[in-house]
Amino acid sequence: SYVLTQPPSVSVAPGETARITCGGNNIGRKIVHWYQQKPGQAPVLVISDDSARPSGSPERFSGSNSGNTATLTISRVEAGDEADYYCQVWDSSSVHWVFGGGTKLTV
Amino acid sequence: EVQLLESGGGLVQPGGPLRLSCAASGFTFSSYVMSWVRQAPGKGLEWVSGISGSGGDTYYADSVRGQFTISRDNSRSTLYLQMNSLRAEDTAVYYCAKGEYSSASGYFDYWGQGTQVTVSS
Repeated sequence: SYVLTQPPSVSVAPGETARITCGGNNIGRKIVHWYQQKPGQAPVLVISDDSARPSGSPERFSGSNSGNTATLTISRVEAGDEADYYCQVWDSSSVHWVFGGGTKLTV
Repeated sequence: EVQLLESGGGLVQPGGPLRLSCAASGFTFSSYVMSWVRQAPGKGLEWVSGISGSGGDTYYADSVRGQFTISRDNSRSTLYLQMNSLRAEDTAVYYCAKGEYSSASGYFDYWGQGTQVTVSS
């Protein structure tokens, strides 16, 4: 089945820009969604449909998707952005929802 | 306000069964696909199973096919997961998640708080 690959960790200083990647074979042909999960909490959707921000998602969060890599970009990173981030696609071939392994963002 | 409330988790012996429930409110339950997603201790998210809004189509991860059964009661706005022959590797927090559409695809826009399942003797 389809595999999504994320770096285990990303570290940035407050105020900088964090970029979290999600790799997959021709992922640019799929629609990618991103979730934020803080310790002890359920995941929260922060980017849908490659680059759309759901209601309540800060404007500092943006997404892109092309070729073999999708990217979640967090501008002007704040301490409160420290969390695990997961990418997700729907794989019509296997009829599965697929999650990446997750990336721990350290601020 | 959309709410998803899981129940039924607990400690179960290896080989035993367990049934999880997810009570939904705040939206037209029958209009949306629902899924179970689990997270083992210290690990990432793993999609487990999904069911269409009508209940007519079900989907399973390879790791649980033949072991778990998903179902829904639209009259009660409740999602279920029957788990049989449980193994230690099934130990996880199990989340109920609401899908974007009535059929399979898309993202999960609402999640429950999760219910802990621990398989141990």
